[in-house]
Amino acid sequence: KAGVTQTPRYLIKTRGQQVTLSCSPISGHRSVSWYQQTPGQGLQFLFEYFSETQRNKGNFPGRFSGRQFSNSRSEMNVSTLELGDSALYLCASSLGFVGTSTDTQYFGPGTRLTVL
Amino acid sequence: ILNVEQSPQSLHVQEGDSTNFTCSFPSSNFYALHWYRWETAKSPEALFVMTLNGDEKKKGRISATLNTKEGYSYLYIKGSQPEDSATYLCAHLNYGGSQGNLIFGKGTKLSVKP
Repeated sequence: KAGVTQTPRYLIKTRGQQVTLSCSPISGHRSVSWYQQTPGQGLQFLFEYFSETQRNKGNFPGRFSGRQFSNSRSEMNVSTLELGDSALYLCASSLGFVGTSTDTQYFGPGTRLTVL
Repeated sequence: ILNVEQSPQSLHVQEGDSTNFTCSFPSSNFYALHWYRWETAKSPEALFVMTLNGDEKKKGRISATLNTKEGYSYLYIKGSQPEDSATYLCAHLNYGGSQGNLIFGKGTKLSVKP
């Protein structure tokens, strides 16, 4: 069974640009969550999508948005990039919605975004 | 925001040593606790999902216990091996329902010297 995949793996952008990251979950998984990791910080929850609906959102500005398609693949978009957006962005998939299940989350390898 | 604290931040042990570290979380509105192992340049790998007070889970040489009343979980590694070197993360699911999400600690970085 293929694992969670993320594309691209590395990305360099400049301030003010926008970026779209993609996540393909494990087949059959309906939940996709996105996390940001910056140096010295734990994984910070961005949002979770389940069956094409955003079910929960973390404390991030509106520049961070996402969506989920009918095949459960998800994209995350960051507009008007700032230097502080440089981070590792991880997505994770699970069978059920994280908030109401004890299903295991499976993480992808992440996208390393550098904003210059 | 409910904080999850992990201690120690880092740990250096010799091969063969047994070790343990702690995850502390708010005991109110507890729903589940997740443990992950994250090796450098790899994806975080799920170890355990724990839900019941007093629960103990085991996977090979790694085991974990859970105390939801006092808000802590211990992860134990018996006879550490160099391949156990990784960052161990815990994550607290603070509320079961439409607003639940995982709150992660900053991790304990374990280095095992041969």
